[in-house]
Amino acid sequence: QKEVEQNSGPLSVPEGAIASLNCTYSDRGSQSFFWYRQYSGKSPELIMSIYSNGDKEDGRFTAQLNKASQYVSLLIRDSQPSDSATYLCAVRGTSYGKLTFGQGTILTVHP
Amino acid sequence: GAVVSQHPSRVICKSGTSVKIECRSLDFQATTMFWYRQFPKQSLMLMATSNEGSKATYEQGVEKDKFLINHASLTLSTLTVTSAHPEDSSFYICSARRTSGNSFQETQYFGPGTRLLVL
Repeated sequence: QKEVEQNSGPLSVPEGAIASLNCTYSDRGSQSFFWYRQYSGKSPELIMSIYSNGDKEDGRFTAQLNKASQYVSLLIRDSQPSDSATYLCAVRGTSYGKLTFGQGTILTVHP
Repeated sequence: GAVVSQHPSRVICKSGTSVKIECRSLDFQATTMFWYRQFPKQSLMLMATSNEGSKATYEQGVEKDKFLINHASLTLSTLTVTSAHPEDSSFYICSARRTSGNSFQETQYFGPGTRLLVL
């Protein structure tokens, strides 16, 4: 079992729709969770961080965390073509400072 | 967000030469930086953790004598790829850890990456 697993994708949604990205993790002791966006040929850019169970909203982005289910998700409302990118879920477990990344989900928002 | 720079952004070198990549945190001090490598259509692979003033911690399978890491100050870490070969061609990305009052709310910010091509 991979330590951090994301829905395989690619995911394609129409402009204006909600895009839902999912991630599960295996280390039950994990405390910090991050979503990064990576455009083709560029380095990852931090979108959201979440540390407590529940929802965290920032603009069009909502991160959801359920530690009991070892599940973290990212919702993108009113998706725009500029949201088309690879989204990386990252988890910081018990190893101090290190992030473990999922394989990424490619999102395409079509006009 | 915080700003992390990398230099150079792109380098082409001949097989057998060494290449140094610099990673700087521009607006915060980073006691810890990380070096990743990413091959096309793959996710990030952590190579090593760079700690200011001490030896780097390498991930399993990463040759420490080939990938030399130096973290001489709180804002600068360098990765030197020694005797580079074509299979070392990749996208090398550093990140710097920004700490806050709460230790588990630390965040990593990535540099823009360095694309290395070894001929």
